[in-house]
Amino acid sequence: EVVLTQSPATLSLSPGERATLFCRASQTVSTYLAWYQQKPGQAPRLLIYDASNRATGIPARFSGSGSGTAFTLTISSLEPEDFAVYYCQQRSSWPLTFGGGTKVEIK
Amino acid sequence: EVQLLESGGGLVQPGGSLRLSCAATGFTFSSSVINWVRQAPGKGLEWVSVISGDGGGTHYADSVKGRFTISRDNSKNTLFLQMNSLRAEDTAVYYCAKASPYCGGTNCYPDSWGQGTLVTVPS
Repeated sequence: EVVLTQSPATLSLSPGERATLFCRASQTVSTYLAWYQQKPGQAPRLLIYDASNRATGIPARFSGSGSGTAFTLTISSLEPEDFAVYYCQQRSSWPLTFGGGTKVEIK
Repeated sequence: EVQLLESGGGLVQPGGSLRLSCAATGFTFSSSVINWVRQAPGKGLEWVSVISGDGGGTHYADSVKGRFTISRDNSKNTLFLQMNSLRAEDTAVYYCAKASPYCGGTNCYPDSWGQGTLVTVPS
């Protein structure tokens, strides 16, 4: 099973700041990695797929990069609605797995 | 608009069974890969199972293999999850989630999610 480790667990930032979130895989997943956003009481929303492709309707301030075992989600300038929990997920091998999440909170 | 509506959750005793349903509208159900993903209270996401559009291909997480069965009725645009031998650690909100057609297979990213149904198994 591919274990995804996300860091940091919590990121405290102010609106307008840049957020950088990390996801490390226990073995290579090529570029088969996605990022999701989840707000309290809501279902997750797909942001980025295959490491760097924005899903439909996702603002350009969200970007993803990486390959192999190291991935990054960047939010260039945080908007108030971006404060949430973010998860990475791989589809390289069964079972599909998620990372433990990074909470982006208001400083 | 894609809509997924889960039902069937509730309180069940350890060792008991429950059958979840997910009613789908707004897309071609019979050609869509669908997942179940769960989230324990206050915890992260855990993928549970997936089924291909024709029902012929399925995969399960090790934690539920042999206890849970995913199935679908394409004539009724409905997905199911039969859960047997339930344990306290199965307590979670269960989401059904349509996979993106981008990947062309069952191992693709969920791109549309329902609001979930809560299953509670007391310890």
